[in-house]
Amino acid sequence: SQTIHQWPATLVQPVGSPLSLECTVEGTSNPNLYWYRQAAGRGLQLLFYSVGIGQISSEVPQNLSASRPQDRQFILSSKKLLLSDSGFYLCAWNGPGANVLTFGAGSRLTVL
Amino acid sequence: AQSVTQLDSQVPVFEEAPVELRCNYSSSVSVYLFWYVQYPNQGLQLLLKYLSGSTLVESINGFEAEFNKSQTSFHLRKPSVHISDTAEYFCAVRYMEYGNKLVFGAGTILRVKS
Repeated sequence: SQTIHQWPATLVQPVGSPLSLECTVEGTSNPNLYWYRQAAGRGLQLLFYSVGIGQISSEVPQNLSASRPQDRQFILSSKKLLLSDSGFYLCAWNGPGANVLTFGAGSRLTVL
Repeated sequence: AQSVTQLDSQVPVFEEAPVELRCNYSSSVSVYLFWYVQYPNQGLQLLLKYLSGSTLVESINGFEAEFNKSQTSFHLRKPSVHISDTAEYFCAVRYMEYGNKLVFGAGTILRVKS
C-alpha cells in the first residue's frame, strides 16, 4: 500500500537559519508531489508541485524553494528563514490523472 | 479567479444535533468537489468527493454533501454529530479548465460539545 512520510514533525528555528523539510512516498512510482502551507484561518496555500524528477512549479513567490532529487522524494528548503515562514507544512501526492490527494501528517515550523 | 468560500470559520454544536458546513465556489463549467477533514496536528484526510453521477454523496461515518450546480455550492451535512467529529473541515474544488488546480477553502472548525 502507498504511504507518505514527512519529517521532522515539529521544528523550532531561529530567524535567518536554513530549513529542510523532507517528504517521501512509498508504494507508488511517478507520483505528483505537492507542498502546501497552512496558516490559521486561511486554508491551504499551494507552494510547489512536481510532476517528475527535477520538475518543480512554484505557485507563490516566497522565501522557500523545493527540489525533487528522486522520484518519490520532495524537499522544501530555505536558505534564511523569516518569521513569516512559521506555519504547518503539508506534503501531498496523487497518481498521474488521479483526483484525490493523500496528505502527510504535516510539519509544524516555528521561527523565532 | 477560482475561489472557494467557507462562510463559517467555526461552528459550535451540541452532541447529537444536526450540522451543516457551508461551501460555495466560483462558477465554472466543470468541477470536481471534495471535503477533507483534519484532526488536531494531523494531515488532511479525504471525507467525500463528487466527480460525476448522483449529486448527493456520502461518507462512511454519516456525513453527506450535495452538489448544487445552480447555486455553486457543496454543503456538508450530518444529521447527528458525535464528540469525535470535532475537527477542521476543508472544502476543495478542482477546476478542470484551469489546469486541474485544486483550490481549498479557509476551513471550518466544527466543535461538538457534550
